[in-house]
Amino acid sequence: DIQMTQSPSSLSASVGDRVTITCRASQSVGIYFNWYQQKPGKAPKLLIYAASSLQSGVPSRFSGSGSGTDFSLTISSLQPEDFATYYCQQSYNTPYTFGQGTRVDIK
Amino acid sequence: EVQLEESGGGLVQPGGSLRLFCAASGFTFGSYEMNWVRQAPGKGLEWISYISSGGTTIYYADSVKGRFTISRDNAKNSLYLQMNSLRADDTAVYYCARGQASGFSYWGQGTLVTVSS
Repeated sequence: DIQMTQSPSSLSASVGDRVTITCRASQSVGIYFNWYQQKPGKAPKLLIYAASSLQSGVPSRFSGSGSGTDFSLTISSLQPEDFATYYCQQSYNTPYTFGQGTRVDIK
Repeated sequence: EVQLEESGGGLVQPGGSLRLFCAASGFTFGSYEMNWVRQAPGKGLEWISYISSGGTTIYYADSVKGRFTISRDNAKNSLYLQMNSLRADDTAVYYCARGQASGFSYWGQGTLVTVSS
């Protein structure tokens, strides 16, 4: 199985901050890589697919980069509604593993 | 509007069975791959099963293989998960989600399965 390791596990930030979350795959997944946002009690929401493509309706302050084994999600200017948990996922092969999550909370 | 709605969750004893349903609307269900993903209380996301649009290709996570069965009825716009031999560590919110290689673009609200005596 492909292991996905996110860092950090949590971070505290202020509104307006630039935030970057990273994810490393245990083997190459090409660009079969996605980012999700989840708020408490809600279903996950797809933010970025194919490593860097912005899902329809997602604000442009979210961006993704990377290929192979190393990926990152950047929020250019953190907004109040962005405080949530973020998960990476590889969709290269089954099992479609997720990272352990990065919780972003208010400093 | 794309909608996915899970049902069928509840409290079940260890060793018991449960069948989850996912009702799809707002899109041509039979044209899309579907998945089940679960989340144990306070934990992260775990993909557990995939089914192709026509139902001919199926995958499972090792944690559920041999105990869970995914199926679909495209005429009824419905996805199913038959869960047998349930264990305490199967306790989770179960989500159905549409998609595969380009990510899971739509999710239901989830249904809670609690396995306890």
